[in-house]
Amino acid sequence: DAGITQSPRHKVTETGTPVTLRCHQTENHRYMYWYRQDPGHGLRLIHYSYGVKDTDKGEVSDGYSVSRSKTEDFLLTLESATSSQTSVYFCAISESGRKETQYFGPGTRLLVL
Amino acid sequence: GENVEQHPSTLSVQEGDSAVIKCTYSDSASNYFPWYKQELGKRPQLIIDIRSNVGEKKDQRIAVTLNKTAKHFSLHITETQPEDSAVYFCAARHAGNMLTFGGGTRLMVKP
Repeated sequence: DAGITQSPRHKVTETGTPVTLRCHQTENHRYMYWYRQDPGHGLRLIHYSYGVKDTDKGEVSDGYSVSRSKTEDFLLTLESATSSQTSVYFCAISESGRKETQYFGPGTRLLVL
Repeated sequence: GENVEQHPSTLSVQEGDSAVIKCTYSDSASNYFPWYKQELGKRPQLIIDIRSNVGEKKDQRIAVTLNKTAKHFSLHITETQPEDSAVYFCAARHAGNMLTFGGGTRLMVKP
């Protein structure tokens, strides 16, 4: 499955706590993305990266930050988690030569109490 | 920004029948349209895609058609099987290599 892992796979946290999700790839792909999936909304882009230290906002970026210090890792941080951030988070990657084709990681299920 | 609408939200068919899922998009500059299949508790998996310079693409029992003038594209699954049961998502690629997804269609194939 395209050499993408996400950690943790499941997390329960409390409102107001910081949370960091990790996406790791072994494909050396340039582009990485973070999505959230909620019932009735499909997948919505939070942030994406087009290279080390190069990131940009997506459709639903408020309350989230990202960092990419290495090609293989893309971190998503919820600075102060809220119940509205309860969701399933998917990471995706795409390669430079065919950047439009995105492959998804296994997902992280996050519950904010 | 781009807006992608997907219909129907649920679709139930008998095994062996065909299934059609339709999507419309708003940004005429969108040029790439993938379809993903997601089984319960799994990641979305790319099943077929089409670029704006092509009107139709087939892969065994799956086909996608694109009408750029009308800004809509459709997924066609023939001879449906129980293992086709899943949620299907369409998407459109627009500025900055971003994908906007439709809301999903839950397909149920009854044996």
